[in-house]
Amino acid sequence: DTEVTQTPKHLVMGMTNKKSLKCEQHMGHRAMYWYKQKAKKPPELMFVYSYEKLSINESVPSRFSPECPNSSLLNLHLHALQPEDSALYLCASSRLRGETQYFGPGTRLLVL
Amino acid sequence: RKEVEQDPGPFNVPEGATVAFNCTYSNSASQSFFWYRQDCRKEPKLLMSVYSSGNEDGRFTAQLNRASQYISLLIRDSKLSDSATYLCVVTYGSSNTGKLIFGQGTTLQVKP
Repeated sequence: DTEVTQTPKHLVMGMTNKKSLKCEQHMGHRAMYWYKQKAKKPPELMFVYSYEKLSINESVPSRFSPECPNSSLLNLHLHALQPEDSALYLCASSRLRGETQYFGPGTRLLVL
Repeated sequence: RKEVEQDPGPFNVPEGATVAFNCTYSNSASQSFFWYRQDCRKEPKLLMSVYSSGNEDGRFTAQLNRASQYISLLIRDSKLSDSATYLCVVTYGSSNTGKLIFGQGTTLQVKP
């Protein structure tokens, strides 16, 4: 079973709100990833966690704050977002960093 | 020059047709190669890994030519359900391990 789950499916937030996206996998994978995807564009990597530690931050603005509380969970905390941050946010996991990645269904975010 | 280049299409083909997608990558240190499929408003799903020896999965055949830095995907006997965007994906080793480099995607529309 290669299932990655994400909640919520959809999120609408104002520029002053604070919200969090959640990602979960129970495959025993030790690498987890956040991607951002705009319409008609490929996914862009934001963060990579390996063994619950942040190993890659692709120069993402500080209004996006990742957190990996345990090996199964990955959160993305959002604060003071801009309308241009509206996108599909995808979580992925792999057994180890660098191996085949499996994506969750994503959270579609709209910032007003 | 983009790191991974694909013809965006769209490719419009009739059911039963054979269609081929090509992809080139610029970094000769690239280590792993994949084709992902993404349906409209859904997450990318792994279609197949790509090896130098070539690999086949039913109607799908993928090929890698390291000397030319070229990856291909052949779909035989196209079905309506094959309509999607096909993403060529490359990974690097070393400090960038875990980062997927996506092509822009090639859109396929199979018509009855």
